[in-house]
Amino acid sequence: DAGVIQSPRHEVTEMGQEVTLRCKPISGHDYLFWYRQTMMRGLELLIYFNNNVPIDDSGMPEDRFSAKMPNASFSTLKIQPSEPRDSAVYFCASSLRVATGVGGYTFGSGTRLTVV
Amino acid sequence: AQSVTQLDSQVPVFEEAPVELRCNYSSSVSVYLFWYVQYPNQGLQLLLKYLSGSTLVKGINGFEAEFNKSQTSFHLRKPSVHISDTAEYFCAVIYSSNTGKLIFGQGTTLQVKP
Repeated sequence: DAGVIQSPRHEVTEMGQEVTLRCKPISGHDYLFWYRQTMMRGLELLIYFNNNVPIDDSGMPEDRFSAKMPNASFSTLKIQPSEPRDSAVYFCASSLRVATGVGGYTFGSGTRLTVV
Repeated sequence: AQSVTQLDSQVPVFEEAPVELRCNYSSSVSVYLFWYVQYPNQGLQLLLKYLSGSTLVKGINGFEAEFNKSQTSFHLRKPSVHISDTAEYFCAVIYSSNTGKLIFGQGTTLQVKP
């Protein structure tokens, strides 16, 4: 398996522009998570899905952020409009349900977003 | 509130010395515990996990951790570190298997000096 695939690896955009980050989870994993990592706030959970359904979006900072999972093999995180304070590394992770005994997330390599 | 506390933000250590990175979690009936490592400009890699059974868990790269329920701790140890172990280490906890929600500590930077 190729692991969790995120694209793009790097994104530089101007303030006010729309940004879309993409994630392909590991086949068969039924959980998908979006995290944001910054120096100041560490790793923050933004939203997660179970079987393509959003379960908890309480970490989404504001209405400018939205996430979708149209099918089991694809998810997007969109920021519209983007602001400089959104600059961070965004990670996607997928997992099998912990109770199966496998547990643990597999993380993608992240998207480094810079908003200028 | 459910949280994870990594007691040290930075741990400097000389090569071949032992190291312990500390992690405490909020008390709960049952928890699932993880340690991840992040090398510079890379994603997070799973080092080890505790789901059930033996409280001493062995992971990759010679690391191990011990689950201590009475002290609500899951400290990471390595008997002899290498320069290549220099990285950031994150402790993480799932408090509910129903949600699968992973909560991370703030991270500990391990700096191995020659």
